[in-house]
Formats: sequence, structure tokens, C-alpha cells
Amino acid sequence: NAGVTQTPKFRVLKTGQSMTLLCAQDMNHEYMYWYRQDPGMGLRLIHYSVGEGTTAKGEVPDGYNVSRLKKQNFLLGLESAAPSQTSVYFCASSYSGGAADTQYFGPGTRLTVL
Amino acid sequence: AQSVSQHNHHVILSEAASLELGCNYSYGGTVNLFWYVQYPGQHLQLLLKYFSGDPLVKGIKGFEAEFIKSKFSFNLRKPSVQWSDTAEYFCAVILYGNNRLAFGKGNQVVVIP
Repeated sequence: NAGVTQTPKFRVLKTGQSMTLLCAQDMNHEYMYWYRQDPGMGLRLIHYSVGEGTTAKGEVPDGYNVSRLKKQNFLLGLESAAPSQTSVYFCASSYSGGAADTQYFGPGTRLTVL
Repeated sequence: AQSVSQHNHHVILSEAASLELGCNYSYGGTVNLFWYVQYPGQHLQLLLKYFSGDPLVKGIKGFEAEFIKSKFSFNLRKPSVQWSDTAEYFCAVILYGNNRLAFGKGNQVVVIP
């Protein structure tokens, strides 16, 4: 049982390039989330999904797109990367998304946009 | 706007000292509360959580937190810290009926041996 995994662990992009971050969970969780972590800002929710085939915007969705084609995977895309998107990205999942549910986090992806 | 506040972003203390990290939230309804810890180079791990019942919650590694509803607070405490407690600590709140966790900005704690 690997929990929540993320690929890649590190990536450097040039401004304007695109990339996709992959999150996978093997806990059969319905809800999945993408956060970004910036120094002194805590974690901010980018997008989330309440189930296969559904996605919703979080607090800071601009410049990102997501897809949840399979229950166990949640992809985060950057179509045209900008230096402001330099951050550490964390994926999380939870069983039901309810207030009583714990979110489990992946190890993170450190992205640098030059 | 609804928010989660953590004060004293950087905390430096010696081993065996006591630690208290403050967390205040501005949500008016029923909330569930969490403290997560992020050790250097690692992902976030759940330290403890409060849903209902006894407002004094005990978590892993000797940490505890007290929910004071009247003060909208959920402060984290440890009586005697160790070097291995060096980490960043995040308070998080979810409003009952919502499905979005809101995080504070974190406390960077450094314990000097």
C-alpha cells in the first residue's frame, strides 16, 4: 500500500513550456486535491475532485488545469508555465471529503520555472 | 473572509523546552480542526485532529492540542521538545458541511540540541 504518490519529484521548466504532474493513490479514495506550497503562505488549494470524471476550482486555479479520468489518478497540468508557478506541489486524497475525513498527502513535486 | 491564523512563523528553542503554537480561525460554524507536521524534505503528516468530544486532543509524539470554542482557537503544545521535532507545523480547519481544508501559513520550528 503506497498511499499517495507523485511524479516527478523535481522539474525545471522554461517560461512557456507545458507539463503534467501525476498523482496516484491506492486507497480507493473518492476525493483528491492539488495544493501549492509557497514560503510563508502555507498550502493553497488549486483544484480538487470529488470523484472520477469531476473536478472543481479551489482557491488559486488560474494557470492550471486538472483531469480525473480514473479514480486513482489526478493530473495537474500547466499549459504555459510562468515563474510565478515556481512552487512545491502537493497532492492529497481523502475517502469521502467530509469534514470528519483526514486528507493524506503525497511527497510533493518541486517545480522551478525559469 | 474566513481564515486560519498562525502566529510567530519562526520559532527557535532548545531541547527540553516547552512548545506552544497558536492557531485561530474565523469560521462561525461547526468546524473540524487538524494539525499537520512536515519534517524537512518530507510530506505532510497528520499530527492530531479534533472532531468532537473532549476538547483536549492527544496526538503522536507527545503532542496535544486544546480546542477552545469561545476563543476560536486550537493551540498545539508539547511539554518537552526534542531535536527531531524540528519541522514546519500547519494548522488546518474544515467547516462542517464543506469539503475544503483551509491551512494556516505554518510555523517553522527549529529545536537546537
